[in-house]
Amino acid sequence: DVKVTQSSRYLVKRTGEKVFLECVQDMDHENMFWYRQDPGLGLRLIYFSYDVKMKEKGDIPEGYSVSREKKERFSLILESASTNQTSMYLCASNKGQGLSNEKLFFGSGTQLSVL
Amino acid sequence: AQSVTQLGSHVSVSEGALVLLRCNYSSSVPPYLFWYVQYPNQGLQLLLKYTSAATLVKGINGFEAEFKKSETSFHLTKPSAHMSDAAEYFCAVSPSGGGSYIPTFGRGTSLIVHP
Repeated sequence: DVKVTQSSRYLVKRTGEKVFLECVQDMDHENMFWYRQDPGLGLRLIYFSYDVKMKEKGDIPEGYSVSREKKERFSLILESASTNQTSMYLCASNKGQGLSNEKLFFGSGTQLSVL
Repeated sequence: AQSVTQLGSHVSVSEGALVLLRCNYSSSVPPYLFWYVQYPNQGLQLLLKYTSAATLVKGINGFEAEFKKSETSFHLTKPSAHMSDAAEYFCAVSPSGGGSYIPTFGRGTSLIVHP
């Protein structure tokens, strides 16, 4: 089975801190995604990457950046954390055959609290 | 452009009762449609997907969904609810025929199952 692993299940940070959320997948997938999940708002795409060092903005990229130096790892960076970034963050991946009927494989999520 | 609307942020049923979770989509091209489930403290996993092969799609755990083009709907059903079905359910749409292959998610419906 494909495994998408997010390094932390819970994270508590202070306002203004730089925060790194890490995600690793073990199935040689081309595409990786970062979503934010908030109650009543569903999943919103922050960034995605379709290849090493390649990235595209999603629907809500403001306040975030990403890094993909290796194929299996996709990092989400909050340059200066703010309280409105308190949320559940979900990483996902898929093969990346350019087909829109591919399913996404999700990690278990990181619940980030910014105080 | 594509979007999905999930009617009802919460649906409550008794164990053994019919489950009906509603999803309506909007898409400028024929869509691919997905239902994902998120159990407590887990990431999302695919329940089923419609890719134009058959309008009635069967998924895991006894769930099924029917694509109705005339109603632009893809409602999820299960004849008899089980306590273990309590979870968050997300409908998602992506366009067929090229272009963006990234799905757009609905806001989610929380299924509550009473004993």
